[in-house]
Amino acid sequence: DAKTTQPPSMDCAEGRAANLPCNHSTISGNEYVYWYRQIHSQGPQYIIHGLKNNETNEMASLIITEDRKSSTLILPHATLRDTAVYYCIVRSQGAQKLVFGQGTRLTINP
Amino acid sequence: DAGVTQSPTHLIKTRGQQVTLRCSPKSGHDTVSWYQQALGQGPQFIFQYYEEEERQRGNFPDRFSGHQFPNYSSELNVNALLLGDSALYLCASSPTSADTQYFGPGTRLTVL
Repeated sequence: DAKTTQPPSMDCAEGRAANLPCNHSTISGNEYVYWYRQIHSQGPQYIIHGLKNNETNEMASLIITEDRKSSTLILPHATLRDTAVYYCIVRSQGAQKLVFGQGTRLTINP
Repeated sequence: DAGVTQSPTHLIKTRGQQVTLRCSPKSGHDTVSWYQQALGQGPQFIFQYYEEEERQRGNFPDRFSGHQFPNYSSELNVNALLLGDSALYLCASSPTSADTQYFGPGTRLTVL
């Protein structure tokens, strides 16, 4: 699975959009981009995933660049409860495991 | 619809002991994966069970073993506990082995 690079930490004001970047320059054609988040001492929560098209659900939007070498997770109106570690994961189609990196620690400030 | 459940929530053991952790998958899911998360690190894949067999294994010693039952629930067993086995143990379930994985709340194991 391709390696991902994320900033170790980010801050965002409550009510603003939080944009979390992820680089995956070695991604191959059959690899998906997954996002999970983990609130302190809880299990990771699935957010969204995509292959090459932008995706949106009730939690977030995922923007993948045309060359697929990077992506951005967007939380449109961040709340204090969005404070968590966010993991960007690249996973091959058919792969059984998730490979987690260090993630981005996002802090939402009042 | 209950999500993934794990038991116990917390556990304290001493070095050399053995421990069994339990996981019940979400309804409709038949695949269970186990992860270990040390403090300050991302989760690390231990193994995955599907159709009551271990399908893939991460870089963990044979002291870590598992089982899946006909109702798709699963157990993780760790023998000869070491201090370094102290971690949050996470179970994730999915509809198939390659589908999106949904995690349980984890079991916090402390080895003294």
